[in-house]
Amino acid sequence: DAKTTQPNSMESNEEEPVHLPCNHSTISGTDYIHWYRQLPSQGPEYVIHGLTSNVNNRMASLAIAEDRKSSTLILHRATLRDAAVYYCILSGGGADGLTFGKGTHLIIQP
Amino acid sequence: SAVISQKPSRDICQRGTSLTIQCQVDSQVTMMFWYRQQPGQSLTLIATANQGSEATYESGFVIDKFPISRPNLTFSTLTVSNMSPEDSSIYLCSVNREVGNTEAFFGQGTRLTVV
Repeated sequence: DAKTTQPNSMESNEEEPVHLPCNHSTISGTDYIHWYRQLPSQGPEYVIHGLTSNVNNRMASLAIAEDRKSSTLILHRATLRDAAVYYCILSGGGADGLTFGKGTHLIIQP
Repeated sequence: SAVISQKPSRDICQRGTSLTIQCQVDSQVTMMFWYRQQPGQSLTLIATANQGSEATYESGFVIDKFPISRPNLTFSTLTVSNMSPEDSSIYLCSVNREVGNTEAFFGQGTRLTVV
């Protein structure tokens, strides 16, 4: 699986937007970009995924670079409940397990 | 979405013993996945469990240490055998959305402490 690189941690203030970057320079043409987050003492939960175009859902937006070598997860208005470890994962879209990197620990300040 | 229940949620076990973790899904799924999350670390895939066939193990994980059963399309067990303190981790069960495999769902995990 292609590797992703994320900052170890980021800090933001409540009610402000958060941009979480992810580099994946070795992404293949068939790799989807997935984002999961893990709240304290819980299993990971799906956030969003995309292939080439930017994507929006009720949780977040995903901005994908034109060359697909990087992407950014955007939380439009962070709340304290968004404090979690965010994982950027590449997946071929098949029926395989996921390869988790170290993720970004997002800290939200009140 | 899929609802996944894991039992037990946590346990403290003596070294040398074995623990079987159960994973129940509220819908039929083709494949179930088992992950390990060591303290302060990310998740690592242990194996993929298909109903009616042997589980497929990732590099570094072997069947003798982590035997898996998959008796039907909604249930699986993972056994951690002959435990040592190094096996202290959170063990998580996961399934993929059946249509399109676009997202994975995870159980809450089993927090295992070996003393």
